Order: sequence, then C-alpha cells, then structure tokens
Amino acid sequence: GNSVTQMEGPVTLSEEAFLTINCTYTATGYPSLFWYVQYPGEGLQLLLKATKADDKGSNKGFEATYRKETTSFHLEKGSVQVSDSAVYFCALTSNAGGTSYGKLTFGQGTILTVHP
Amino acid sequence: KAGVTQTPRYLIKTRGQQVTLSCSPISGHRSVSWYQQTPGQGLQFLFEYFSETQRNKGNFPGRFSGRQFSNSRSEMNVSTLELGDSALYLCASSLEASPYNEQFFGPGTRLTVL
Repeated sequence: GNSVTQMEGPVTLSEEAFLTINCTYTATGYPSLFWYVQYPGEGLQLLLKATKADDKGSNKGFEATYRKETTSFHLEKGSVQVSDSAVYFCALTSNAGGTSYGKLTFGQGTILTVHP
Repeated sequence: KAGVTQTPRYLIKTRGQQVTLSCSPISGHRSVSWYQQTPGQGLQFLFEYFSETQRNKGNFPGRFSGRQFSNSRSEMNVSTLELGDSALYLCASSLEASPYNEQFFGPGTRLTVL
C-alpha cells in the first residue's frame, strides 16, 4: 500500500534560517505529491503540489521537487518567518483507481516553530 | 467562492451516544472525503463520496458511516461512541476524485467523547 514518511520533529529555527523537511514515499501507480500546512485551530491548507516526476511545486517561498529516483519530495524554504510556524504534512494520492479514489495518504506531520 | 464549511465546529458527547457531522463542499465540487485526525494516529482516511455514491472506504469499523446528498453536501455519522473516537474530523472537497485535483479542507469538527 501507499505510505509517506516525514522527518522526525519538532523543528525549531530562528527567523531567516533555511528550512528543509524531508519526505519520502512508497506508492502504487503514479502518485501526485502534496505539501499541506495546518495552523493552530484550523484545517489543512494546500501549500504546493507536483503531479509528475521532476516537477517542482512552489508557493510563498516554499519549494519541493518530485524525485522519482529517490522517492522523495523534500520541502525547502530559503528564509523562514515567524508566521511560518505551523504543522507541515507531506501527502500523496495515486491514480491506481479503486481504493485510491479521494484518498490522501499523509505523513505524520512535522511541527515547525520559528523564533524571532 | 466560499470554502468548505463544517458544522458544528465543536461537539461534546458521552460514550454510547451517536453523532452526525455535516460538511458543505465548495460550490461545484462533487467529491467529498472525510478524515480523522488524532495525536496518536495522525490523519487517517475515512471514506469518499462522489455523486451520492461511496467509492472508497478506509479501515474504520462499521460504526462510522456517511452519505452524500444530491447537492454534494455530506454527513458522517458515528454510532455507539467510544472514548477513542475523540478527534478532529476533517472534510475535504475536490472537483473530481482525480489524483491531479487537490483537496480543499474545511476547519474541522472537534469531537470530544466523555
């Protein structure tokens, strides 16, 4: 079955530091990959996505590249801000049909705290 | 365009009771998925509905059920509540259940079972 593994957290950084959150996956078919962010007391917001190998998703200074050879989709940001403090989830969905309909498989989440 | 809405936002129930949660998808979205979020298990897929049909179901007991109406609104029901059902229940909608269509999430319903 499908699975997503994220780096252990929590991650604590100072403002303007470089961020990397590792994500690796196993999947059947040809998965699409996503990063979602969850702020306290809220639902999940899509941060970025990539639907095929070598695609780079980007949004709000965050980037992630779909690496099929290493089955990875690491999240990066060059300079984090206090407002980036949140929980980040890596997720995938596959086009294997049937049991994949409408189903996102999530990693366990990484808590990011950014200090001024 | 309005986002995904979920009602109620908070709910407190006691063991053995049943509960119904409601989700209104983004206008035009026909697929609705439900997830359970807990500190221990993380985000787990419950089920997905498309055009009033359940097309996919996660590994949850039969106490968890759902349905979708002709206007794409969806409800989920949990019967005979257990303490372990305390969680944030998230609903998400998408245009269709294609892997290329992202899911848009509501704010969730926080269920506490006492």
